[in-house]
Amino acid sequence: AQRVTQPEKLLSVFKGAPVELKCNYSYSGSPELFWYVQYSRQRLQLLLRHISRESIKGFTADLNKGETSFHLKKPFAQEEDSAMYYCALQGGSEKLVFGKGTKLTVNP
Amino acid sequence: GAVVSQHPSWVICKSGTSVKIECRSLDFQATTMFWYRQFPKQSLMLMATSNEGSKATYEQGVEKDKFLINHASLTLSTLTVTSAHPEDSSFYICSALNGLARFYGYTFGSGTRLTVV
Repeated sequence: AQRVTQPEKLLSVFKGAPVELKCNYSYSGSPELFWYVQYSRQRLQLLLRHISRESIKGFTADLNKGETSFHLKKPFAQEEDSAMYYCALQGGSEKLVFGKGTKLTVNP
Repeated sequence: GAVVSQHPSWVICKSGTSVKIECRSLDFQATTMFWYRQFPKQSLMLMATSNEGSKATYEQGVEKDKFLINHASLTLSTLTVTSAHPEDSSFYICSALNGLARFYGYTFGSGTRLTVV
């Protein structure tokens, strides 16, 4: 079974502070992992995917197969980073399985 | 980049009527589209996978006779909520997979807020 766990429903940090949004997954094969972001009143959009190993808007995420984690990190949070963040997994099929999401609030 | 257009963005209907939601890929061909349902403050729950020219694959617990999916072309999939009831009120989101670039992620529509009164 494929499962994505985001343990924090809410995360609040101050501007300039580091932020880490946790994501753990359960899948017996080699997964493809994604982070999607949903800003207020906007559609879900891809933030990054582990296969590309790129940094988007200062965010990075490393796949740790040993810990089955794909945590999202940013060294210095900005107010415009406030949004809902969803971790998602694609297993053997084309289906995406989403975590429950973490609402990040960056305070001034 | 890839764009998915979803209409309507919101709809209010009377109990017992049917509502059709459209999902169009504007600048790419989508061999596969997905329909999700999102309850307030909850995650996206996959309802069904729609493949062009074939029957949709429904997730466990989703009534295929209530949620009719048609994927008649490579750019259009529709979800029809038949005989809608208040418990069908929700936020419905479609996403499309670019059939020619499977490694570029999924593109999402802006969602449809359905309210059944």
